[in-house]
Amino acid sequence: EAGVAQSPRYKIIEKRQSVAFWCNPISGHATLYWYQQILGQGPKLLIQFQNNGVVDDSQLPKDRFSAERLKGVDSTLKIQPAKLEDSAVYLCASTPGQGIYNEQFFGPGTRLTVL
Amino acid sequence: AQSVSQHNHHVILSEAASLELGCNYSYGGTVNLFWYVQYPGQHLQLLLKYFSGDPLVKGIKGFEAEFIKSKFSFNLRKPSVQWSDTAEYFCAVNAENYGQNFVFGPGTRLSVLP
Repeated sequence: EAGVAQSPRYKIIEKRQSVAFWCNPISGHATLYWYQQILGQGPKLLIQFQNNGVVDDSQLPKDRFSAERLKGVDSTLKIQPAKLEDSAVYLCASTPGQGIYNEQFFGPGTRLTVL
Repeated sequence: AQSVSQHNHHVILSEAASLELGCNYSYGGTVNLFWYVQYPGQHLQLLLKYFSGDPLVKGIKGFEAEFIKSKFSFNLRKPSVQWSDTAEYFCAVNAENYGQNFVFGPGTRLSVLP
């Protein structure tokens, strides 16, 4: 079974530029999560999708971050414009169904450096 | 606000030593508890989880964790560590009053010396 795919693996941009990350969850997984992991901290949930609907985006900085999952499969996370404090690893995870009783499967992450 | 704390930032042990990593959380009510591990160069993966029942939970690779409700703790243990246990360990909590949100602790880096 293929795992969660993310691209790119690394990205370096200057502040005020825009960047987009892509995630393809495990086939058939209905729930998709985006996390931000700043160096030395645990992952912080940014947004959770159930199919193509948003379940929780309470911690997403909506003035600069956006995410979509238009067809309920793959997802993109965008930052526009980026700030220095956005430097982090962005993790995507998926689960087969809704609810916390399902194990989350994580992708390798995208390491973003904002200069 | 919900928070999860992990007692140690970096733990260094020799092979065969016993391990205990602390995890405390700060909300009442029903909680669901998890330990995740990230081996060098690999993805985060689930070690073990607790939803209900026996508070002593066994996971993969000889790890176990004990939920002590009165102490708001979910400490991870292993009686004898191996060099291959070198990794970063994250405790995560879901409080049912907070929906499906997971809150992760800051992580503990474990280095096992051969």
